[in-house]
Amino acid sequence: TQLLEQSPQFLSIQEGENLTVYCNSSSVFSSLQWYRQEPGEGPVLLVTVVTGGEVKKLKRLTFQFGDARKDSSLHITAAQPGDTGLYLCAGTNAGKSTFGDGTTLTVKP
Amino acid sequence: KAGVTQTPRYLIKTRGQQVTLSCSPISGHRSVSWYQQTPGQGLQFLFEYFSETQRNKGNFPGRFSGRQFSNSRSEMNVSTLELGDSALYLCASSVSGTGLAEQFFGPGTRLTVL
Repeated sequence: TQLLEQSPQFLSIQEGENLTVYCNSSSVFSSLQWYRQEPGEGPVLLVTVVTGGEVKKLKRLTFQFGDARKDSSLHITAAQPGDTGLYLCAGTNAGKSTFGDGTTLTVKP
Repeated sequence: KAGVTQTPRYLIKTRGQQVTLSCSPISGHRSVSWYQQTPGQGLQFLFEYFSETQRNKGNFPGRFSGRQFSNSRSEMNVSTLELGDSALYLCASSVSGTGLAEQFFGPGTRLTVL
């Protein structure tokens, strides 16, 4: 069974602060996705990383895939209230995705 | 391009009943996956359909079943409902379900079992 552990589980910060969310596994994945989910809605895809060591930037969000393709991190710079939500990572192999339990982020104005 | 749509958005049933949920994928997407999301268990994979065939299956009892039609639309059925089946059921579509497997989710169906 492939498991993905996300940390921290909950994070509450003030607007303007920086934060990092982690996604770790003992399994190797062919790709890894990050999603953001708001209450009552489905997850929205933010990014896909494929190559070990890959770094992708999406405005204030920076995503990194570990060299061994077992872990990933999401760094948010100068967080805003609009960043509030549940952040999910998903590792994919052979078309099957395993999701972490998510990090619930609250950004206070 | 329209996103993934799911109907109904909300559903209330009683124990022992059965329910059918519907999902229309993004046009051109042939893979449809179903997930159950609960506060305690997170997002759990139910099954994936591709070209009307179940290609992957999660660890759920046989009460959970699905099918896919020739237009890629998919339905999920849960029979003999239990209280623990209360959850947000999410459908996700992707072009082929392989390779990058980028999935696009619908808004979900919130099922409450009383």
